[in-house]
Amino acid sequence: DIVMTQSPDSLAVSLGERATINCKSSQSVLYSSNNKNYLAWYQQKPGQPLKLLIYWASARESGVPDRFSGSGSGTDFTLTISSLRPEDVALYYCEQYYRIPWTFGQGTKVEVK
Amino acid sequence: QVQLHQSGPGLVKPSQTLSLTCAISGDSVSSNRAAWNWIRQSPSRGLEWLGRTYYRSKWINDYALSVKSRININPDTFRNQFSLEVNSATPEDTAVYYCAREEQQLTHAGLDSWGQGTLVTVSS
Repeated sequence: DIVMTQSPDSLAVSLGERATINCKSSQSVLYSSNNKNYLAWYQQKPGQPLKLLIYWASARESGVPDRFSGSGSGTDFTLTISSLRPEDVALYYCEQYYRIPWTFGQGTKVEVK
Repeated sequence: QVQLHQSGPGLVKPSQTLSLTCAISGDSVSSNRAAWNWIRQSPSRGLEWLGRTYYRSKWINDYALSVKSRININPDTFRNQFSLEVNSATPEDTAVYYCAREEQQLTHAGLDSWGQGTLVTVSS
């Protein structure tokens, strides 16, 4: 199985400041034939299911604010929240869909400092 | 707008079968551009993908090896839904279970619609 490791486990950021979450996969999730990274990011708030934010490592899901952006390739990826808002307090997960079984990171908790 | 609605018991006795259903609106379980997944979440195991079913000229199922011998995911085209069965349940199967739609296109991907989640406790 592809192991997904996120860092940090939690971070506290002041409102309006940048939050950066890292995700590393145990093997590359870049499919060479189409040059796409099979990596997604999700947000989860308490008592709610996951919400898709980013797919193909950097494509923003419809309706997701543009303060959320994804970057990276191969095995190293980043989710950035450019200017933290109160409603962004949540858990964030990366997921690879390159090879079954799909696997998720352990999650990163984002709080307001 | 695709919506998924889960149903099923929240309490299962050890050794019995855990059964959940996910009803689909806004899409078809037979769609040739989607797959239908089950995922569970627990404090001890985190997010764990269990398996999926999808139709590409025939029905295809993929299962996680960790549960492959104990689970079945079945589509129901008449009711436009799909189900999960986990046989011989143990307390380690206690988790919040989610169904989720997976887009399978080069223009879009990921698990883009989720059920509301069902907390299933395995206990006598």
